[in-house]
This record gives sequence, structure tokens and C-alpha cells, in this order.
Amino acid sequence: NAGVMQNPRHLVRRRGQEARLRCSPMKGHSHVYWYRQLPEEGLKFMVYLQKENIIDESGMPKERFSAEFPKEGPSILRIQQVVRGDSAAYFCASSRGTDTQYFGPGTRLTVL
Amino acid sequence: AQSVTQLGSHVSVSEGALVLLRCNYSSSVPPYLFWYVQYPNQGLQLLLKYTSAATLVKGINGFEAEFKKSETSFHLTKPSAHMSDAAEYFCAVSEWAGGGADGLTFGKGTHLIIQP
Repeated sequence: NAGVMQNPRHLVRRRGQEARLRCSPMKGHSHVYWYRQLPEEGLKFMVYLQKENIIDESGMPKERFSAEFPKEGPSILRIQQVVRGDSAAYFCASSRGTDTQYFGPGTRLTVL
Repeated sequence: AQSVTQLGSHVSVSEGALVLLRCNYSSSVPPYLFWYVQYPNQGLQLLLKYTSAATLVKGINGFEAEFKKSETSFHLTKPSAHMSDAAEYFCAVSEWAGGGADGLTFGKGTHLIIQP
């Protein structure tokens, strides 16, 4: 059973560009969570989605960030007009209902 | 609101020695508690979780943790450290058994160093 998959693993963007991070949950999981890990910090919750619905986005910055989990395909975390402060590791987790969350390997975003 | 405090951003122990990583939590409701491990450039792997069934929880790789409500603690221990235990360890709390709904609240992590 494949685990949570994230791609790309590493992403480099220049300031002002867009970043798209993808997350494919484990088979049978319909709940997806996105977290951000800044250097020397723990993971911070960003958003919780179920298929076609955003359940909780209380941790998302109000501007430039958006997330979706369409009926078909992976969940996407989109960051528009990236700035240097967006450089971080972004982790996706999935679960079956409100059961244990399983984490992907993360996408490390570097903004030049 | 919930929060987690991990005492010691870096802990160094000798191979074969006891590992003790400290975690204290704050929660207004009965908490569910988790320990995750993160190896370099990898995602987080669940070590163990407390869901009120038993206060002493055994996890993978020989780790265990004890929930102490009176001390609001959930410290992680391993009797004998192995070189392969070197990693970042995160304690997390949630109102939900699986950490669902509003996500997990993580501590800042403790970097475990194993000295040969």
C-alpha cells in the first residue's frame, strides 16, 4: 500500500512566481491536511480538506495561499507571488476520517 | 486552545544509554497525544499515540511514553539508545483521537543526538 505521495520533493521559485505543491493521499483516505515547517520550528497546521470541500483553513495565510482537493486527482496547495518568507518544508498528511494522520515526505520550497 | 512544550531543542545521549525526551501539553479538553519522528529530509512517522486506553503507551522501535495528567506530561523514553535513533522528535496534541478536524498542534521538536 503506497504511502502519502508529494511532488515535487524540491521546488525552487523566484520571488513573484507561483508555487504548486501536490499531495496524493493514501488509498482509501479522503481527508487531507497541509502543514508548514519553518526552519527550527515544529509543524504548523494550515488547512484541512475533504474531497471538494475545505473544512478548516484557520491556519492559512489570508492572502496568496489557496488549497483544493478535487473529486479526482491530488490535493493542491498553491502559493501565488511567492516571497522569501514562504521558503519552508510543506507536508501533507492524510487520514481515513478522523483517524491517525499519515505524513508524506514533504516538499521543500526555496524562494530565491 | 492547545499547546505543546518540548523541553530541550537538542538532547545528546551515549549509545546504549537511556533516552528521555520531555513533552508537556496544555489542553482545555481531554487530550490525545502523539509522538512523531522525522529522519533527515523525510516526512513524519508516527511512533505512538495516547488515546485514553492506557497511560503507558508502547510504540515502535522500542519507544514508550507515559501520560501523566497531574503533570500534564507525555515524556518519551527508550531504555537503550541506538545510533539509528538519531532524528528529530515531535510531540503533538489534538482534541481528536486521530488528530483530525483542526489538525495536530506540534511542539518545536527535539533533535536527538546519539554519541558513539
